[in-house]
Amino acid sequence: DQQVKQNSPSLSVQEGRISILNCDYTNSMFDYFLWYKKYPAEGPTFLISISSIKDKNEDGRFTVFLNKSAKHLSLHIVPSQPGDSAVYFCASKSGGSYIPTFGRGTSLIVHP
Amino acid sequence: DAGITQSPRYKITETGRQVTLMCHQTWSHSYMFWYRQDLGHGLRLIYYSAAADITDKGEVPDGYVVSRSKTENFPLTLESATRSQTSVYFCASTDAWGEQYFGPGTRLTVT
Repeated sequence: DQQVKQNSPSLSVQEGRISILNCDYTNSMFDYFLWYKKYPAEGPTFLISISSIKDKNEDGRFTVFLNKSAKHLSLHIVPSQPGDSAVYFCASKSGGSYIPTFGRGTSLIVHP
Repeated sequence: DAGITQSPRYKITETGRQVTLMCHQTWSHSYMFWYRQDLGHGLRLIYYSAAADITDKGEVPDGYVVSRSKTENFPLTLESATRSQTSVYFCASTDAWGEQYFGPGTRLTVT
């Protein structure tokens, strides 16, 4: 059973608009959350993370929001750019574990 | 080059053959991982290692063998390749509890 779910396999957004990628988790022990970005023919690269003691973390155009009661996190990209077109993976870890659990990814396409 | 590298980048092999995928990292990270990426499945953990000579099974270990005699190397061996092992394989490393650093991947096709 999936402990980390990205229910939207794909998302299409116009350049300049906001992209919102969602992720749900079921394990209440998860306390650290990460987003990775993956371009074709490359390995995933770390994008942004958030600890469970926070509900928001911002890095430039990227903001991650965490709603612990709903076991939900989201990645906001504002404004979206064509170079943001990639697959985005959500990942979660618990209790100091070094092993993350990954979602299946969401493919974002930003149209010029 | 600094970072994490994988070789080969592309490999075609026949069913039943043994094939080894190499992974090398220059950061002296303690923890290393092997994932496979398949359409509809995302990243699935095959094996991981907490240090040299310490390895453990992940979510999908069947048909794979790993070793870690040196901290910087973590080879993955398919002892007798099957078509279901056609996939893109990623190696990753991390120093502790933070983010993972991934290699560029190996695209393996088993015919």
